[in-house]
Amino acid sequence: AQSVTQLGSHVSVSEGALVLLRCNYSSSVPPYLFWYVQYPNQGLQLLLKYTSAATLVKGINGFEAEFKKSETSFHLTKPSAHMSDAAEYFCAVSAAGGTSYGKLTFGQGTILTVHP
Amino acid sequence: DTGVSQDPRHKITKRGQNVTFRCDPISEHNRLYWYRQTLGQGPEFLTYFQNEAQLEKSRLLSDRFSAERPKGSFSTLEIQRTEQGDSAMYLCASGGTGSENYGYTFGSGTRLTVV
Repeated sequence: AQSVTQLGSHVSVSEGALVLLRCNYSSSVPPYLFWYVQYPNQGLQLLLKYTSAATLVKGINGFEAEFKKSETSFHLTKPSAHMSDAAEYFCAVSAAGGTSYGKLTFGQGTILTVHP
Repeated sequence: DTGVSQDPRHKITKRGQNVTFRCDPISEHNRLYWYRQTLGQGPEFLTYFQNEAQLEKSRLLSDRFSAERPKGSFSTLEIQRTEQGDSAMYLCASGGTGSENYGYTFGSGTRLTVV
């Protein structure tokens, strides 16, 4: 069984400030981890993924995340927020291999607000 | 590559009516997933197809729900006798072999409102 907990349903930052969105996961097998972004009334766009290669993963739009097995965390960061980063962000986990068929288990999402 | 297309984008229906949604995945993708997303929640897995075979169904998928993927191309999701609790965004995603390694492409979703 797998689960994802996103700490903080809303995060507010000023433009130019550090963005930190927290994600902790639970998985009985080695996980694959993903961050997706969703703009209003749209589908999900993949930001980045961890699939057992480098633990520090760089994604699109200047985002990155670090896989920390000891802390079961996969927090998303961006050094300097931009107004266009305002959206909802979802952390997701899938099992590496096995019979999970790659299905994703999502967290509840974090809405990021960026103030001028 | 035109991405994953979903139709319609919005559907308003009266309680008790049947509705059908369509998903056209990226043409070379053999995996297709349906998810449901209610307001303020993350998407929840509904069902998975590999080519035309439906390999997994969530317990969320009651007997009023049925999904098909004839010929392993487009997929349809039908909800019979809709209830207000069915109001949600229905998302389709597709991926190729090994897509667990590189992620999936999501469509823009169909937003269902049951009145």
